[in-house]
Amino acid sequence: NAGVMQNPRHLVRRRGQEARLRCSPMKGHSHVYWYRQLPEEGLKFMVYLQKENIIDESGMPKERFSAEFPKEGPSILRIQQVVRGDSAAYFCASSPNRDNTIYFGEGSWLTVV
Amino acid sequence: DQQVKQNSPSLSVQEGRISILNCDYTNSMFDYFLWYKKYPAEGPTFLISISSIKDKNEDGRFTVFLNKSAKHLSLHIVPSQPGDSAVYFCAASPGGTSYGKLTFGQGTILTVHP
Repeated sequence: NAGVMQNPRHLVRRRGQEARLRCSPMKGHSHVYWYRQLPEEGLKFMVYLQKENIIDESGMPKERFSAEFPKEGPSILRIQQVVRGDSAAYFCASSPNRDNTIYFGEGSWLTVV
Repeated sequence: DQQVKQNSPSLSVQEGRISILNCDYTNSMFDYFLWYKKYPAEGPTFLISISSIKDKNEDGRFTVFLNKSAKHLSLHIVPSQPGDSAVYFCAASPGGTSYGKLTFGQGTILTVHP
């Protein structure tokens, strides 16, 4: 009974490159959430997706960030032209429906050099 | 604008004693409250939750209390064990269709000494 799977666990990118973070939800879960934890801060909501739909992206930065959850395959969080301030832990969470507790993956640590 | 606050950055407790972690919130629209535990380099692990229609929820050694009028909740761990040492996050949700849209506190580092 696999939990939420995220990869890569650690990613190093140079400024200006693109970062792609992947998330496979728990089996039977069709709702995916992305959160970001900056150093010394709590987790902050970024985006909520269902299969092929973005439900709520109110926490996403307006530029360079995008997310998708295609019909087949994992959810992807994409950060274009990364800057040092994007260095953070990115956590994905999933739930079986929209009114249920969400369960987090192990996280992906992005370092921008 | 910190809508969920954990005012104690750290707490140190002796093994076997009670640990009490506190959390305050400001948004009256929050309807559902959760506690997560987190180890370094790992994701948050769900511990316990409470709906706004309740004032207490218990699960084994963990009890969460909610005081809606004071906009305050607390997590009690009794008895505390060294394995409980971790960062504890309080989180709040507006519920409804936005259950998973959580607002987190900054976390409290709990250290349980043997």
